[in-house]
Order: sequence, then structure tokens, then C-alpha cells
Amino acid sequence: AQSVTQPDIHITVSEGASLELRCNYSYGATPYLFWYVQSPGQGLQLLLKYFSGDTLVQGIKGFEAEFKRSQSSFNLRKPSVHWSDAAEYFCAVVLTDSWGKFQFGAGTQVVVTP
Amino acid sequence: DGGITQSPKYLFRKEGQNVTLSCEQNLNHDAMYWYRQDPGQGLRLIYYSQIVNDFQKGDIAEGYSVSREKKESFPLTVTSAQKNPTAFYLCASRKVEGTTHNEQFFGPGTRLTVL
Repeated sequence: AQSVTQPDIHITVSEGASLELRCNYSYGATPYLFWYVQSPGQGLQLLLKYFSGDTLVQGIKGFEAEFKRSQSSFNLRKPSVHWSDAAEYFCAVVLTDSWGKFQFGAGTQVVVTP
Repeated sequence: DGGITQSPKYLFRKEGQNVTLSCEQNLNHDAMYWYRQDPGQGLRLIYYSQIVNDFQKGDIAEGYSVSREKKESFPLTVTSAQKNPTAFYLCASRKVEGTTHNEQFFGPGTRLTVL
């Protein structure tokens, strides 16, 4: 079965430090992968997506993600974190033959300290 | 501006009452989705619809009902049969035509609390 795993439930990072959020997927073919961000009490906003081509994907807010087929991973990175990056981050995959249903990971809560 | 609106933002319900959450989109998207979000559990799919007058159960449909009479609207009713309805509810929509890697767009959510 197709699935997405985010191994880290909670990450604390200092402002200005780099951030990497992990996402592993289980999928038979080339997956379509997404990263979303959710601020408290808000909806989800798309950061970036991968569907083919260049394995390093640039997104909004200075985020990027790298697709590694050999490791079944799609990790999200940011070189220098700002206090406004404190939020919950979700990795997701489109399920095949599913009419566009998404499978979301459980999320990673990011706390930014001064 | 195009987008998805959900109302109300906060909703309080007494046990035993049905309540309906509104979701409207003006993105001209065919597909719409309802998710439930609980702390530490990510998003769980309740119902989804690809076209008007058609919808399918998601992973946790028990105690919920939906309708899709208009392309723009996909209301969710939380019935008294839902044993633990207190949660944050998110509506999403997605463009169907074109490619399968189209993203879902999300509304701001409704927080339902059962008193």
C-alpha cells in the first residue's frame, strides 16, 4: 500500500540555523509528492511539489526539497530558519487510481527558538 | 480573489445535535474533499467528490454525511452518530483536468467543539 511517513513528530531549531524535515514514501512507481505548511488554526499551504524531472525542487518561502528514489525520500530543507517558519509541516503523496486522493504524513511540528 | 471559504470558523454543538459545516470554492475545481484533523494524527479523509451529485466515502465516513448539489459547494454534516466530533475540519478542492499531480487547495478550517 502507498504510504507516507514523517519520522520526526517534533523538531526544535534555533533561528538562523538550517532545517531539514524528513519524509519517506512507500510507492511502486514514480510518486507525486508534496510538502504543505500549516500555521496554528489555519489551513494548509502548498510549499512545493515533485512529479518528474529535476530531483531538487524549489518552493516558496525559501524552502527546497530533494527527491531521492534510492532512499524513497523527499526531505524538505531550508538553509536559514526564521521565527515565522514555526508551524506544522506535512508531506503528502497522490494515490494512484484514486481520483486524486492524497495520503498525508502525520506531520512534523517545528519550533523556532531565539 | 479565488479561493476556498469555510464557515463558521468556530462552531459549538451540544451532544445529540446535527451540525453542518459550509465549504465554498470559486476556483472552478471539480474535486472537493473533507478532512478531519486531530492532534498527532495528520489529516484523515472523510468524504470526497469528483463531480456534482456524486461523492465517495473516505477513510472515516461514519457519522458524517455530505451533498454536492453545486460545483462550488460541498457541505459536511456532522451527525449525532459521530461519537467524537470535536476536531478541526478542513475542506479542500483540486483541479481534475490536466495532470494527476495537481495539488489540493485548502480552506482555513472550522473548529468544532461538542459541549
